[in-house]
Amino acid sequence: GDSVTQMEGPVTLSEEAFLTINCTYTATGYPSLFWYVQYPGEGLQLLLKATKADDKGSNKGFEATYRKETTSFHLEKGSVQVSDSAVYFCAPYQGGKLIFGQGTELSVKP
Amino acid sequence: KAGVTQTPRYLIKTRGQQVTLSCSPISGHRSVSWYQQTPGQGLQFLFEYFSETQRNKGNFPGRFSGRQFSNSRSEMNVSTLELGDSALYLCASSPGTSRADTQYFGPGTRLTVL
Repeated sequence: GDSVTQMEGPVTLSEEAFLTINCTYTATGYPSLFWYVQYPGEGLQLLLKATKADDKGSNKGFEATYRKETTSFHLEKGSVQVSDSAVYFCAPYQGGKLIFGQGTELSVKP
Repeated sequence: KAGVTQTPRYLIKTRGQQVTLSCSPISGHRSVSWYQQTPGQGLQFLFEYFSETQRNKGNFPGRFSGRQFSNSRSEMNVSTLELGDSALYLCASSPGTSRADTQYFGPGTRLTVL
């Protein structure tokens, strides 16, 4: 069945470090791809999305490119802040639903 | 626009009881989806309602059911509660007309089964 594999956490970085969270998926066809972020005690917030191959989604300094040939949608940020500490979820939309990865916890230290 | 609202935010029930959770979508959105989040299983899709009809369903037992009203508000019901039903239940709304639509999530209802 359809599935998502995310880089395991927790990931601990110092402020201003470069961030990459890997995400690969298996799905039929051309799913839309999403990154969501969850802060403690809250629901999920959309971070960015891409709906077709080679699209780049971006928001708040985060970027991810839809790579159809490698079925990947890796999340990157050039310089993380303490306020970016949260859990990040990669999720293709396939078959009428979002299919979530296990989430990657990011902790940014000052 | 107001966001997705869920009530109640917290619930404590005992095994064998039943519970109803409510979700009010963003105005104009016709699709409401429900997800269960647990530390062990992560985020799993329960079902989706669109214009009062269940359009998609996940792999959950029949104890989990839902419905949608003409104003797009949705309720989810869990009967004969089990300890394993303790979870954060999230609902998400979207226009529901395109695979490119963003699903907007509510803050969730935290259900604890004792």
